[in-house]
Amino acid sequence: AQKVTQAQTEISVVEKEDVTLDCVYETRDTTYYLFWYKQPPSGELVFLIRRNSFDEQNEISGRYSWNFQKSTSSFNFTITASQVVDSAVYFCALSEGTNAGKSTFGDGTTLTVKP
Amino acid sequence: EAQVTQNPRYLITVTGKKLTVTCSQNMNHEYMSWYRQDPGLGLRQIYYSMNVEVTDKGDVPEGYKVSRKEKRNFPLILESPSPNQTSLYFCASSLITGRIHRQFFGPGTRLTVL
Repeated sequence: AQKVTQAQTEISVVEKEDVTLDCVYETRDTTYYLFWYKQPPSGELVFLIRRNSFDEQNEISGRYSWNFQKSTSSFNFTITASQVVDSAVYFCALSEGTNAGKSTFGDGTTLTVKP
Repeated sequence: EAQVTQNPRYLITVTGKKLTVTCSQNMNHEYMSWYRQDPGLGLRQIYYSMNVEVTDKGDVPEGYKVSRKEKRNFPLILESPSPNQTSLYFCASSLITGRIHRQFFGPGTRLTVL
């Protein structure tokens, strides 16, 4: 069975600090997909990224970067030079290749960026 | 404008009164999904659909039905709602092409079952 753990329930940083959100996953499949989502205080859900298990290249998108390490079953998300607008709940999720449509989410990490 | 729409946005109903939450997307996406979000329980997938007439259960399908008769619509049906189905519901659709994956969410439907 697949499982996603986001051990950090809440994180608080001051603007311009870098922050890393941890995501550890469990799966028996060799093919799987990992996701990150953002839910700002307004409540909408925003898709950020999908990574498949065969692609361990780190990805950077502006101030966002993702570090995928199969050896530690982790898919961590770093925000560089955080801004107040980054304040949100961030969810990590996993879907297994044998049933790629089915997703399991972590409990989320609430990030607060203070001015 | 590319979007996923849900209706209604808010609904208060009573136990046992059948209801349908509609979800529609205008992006011709094959994949659609329903999630519920509850305090302390996070996001959980209810049902998903990989294409027209293809639906499958997520983690919490009990008490829900879905249908996918056409690509753009993916309604969520509660045949006999109960108070434990009080929740915030999100519909989503995804573009999945090779390495490209983009997912779009509806604005959410807040359901209260009394």
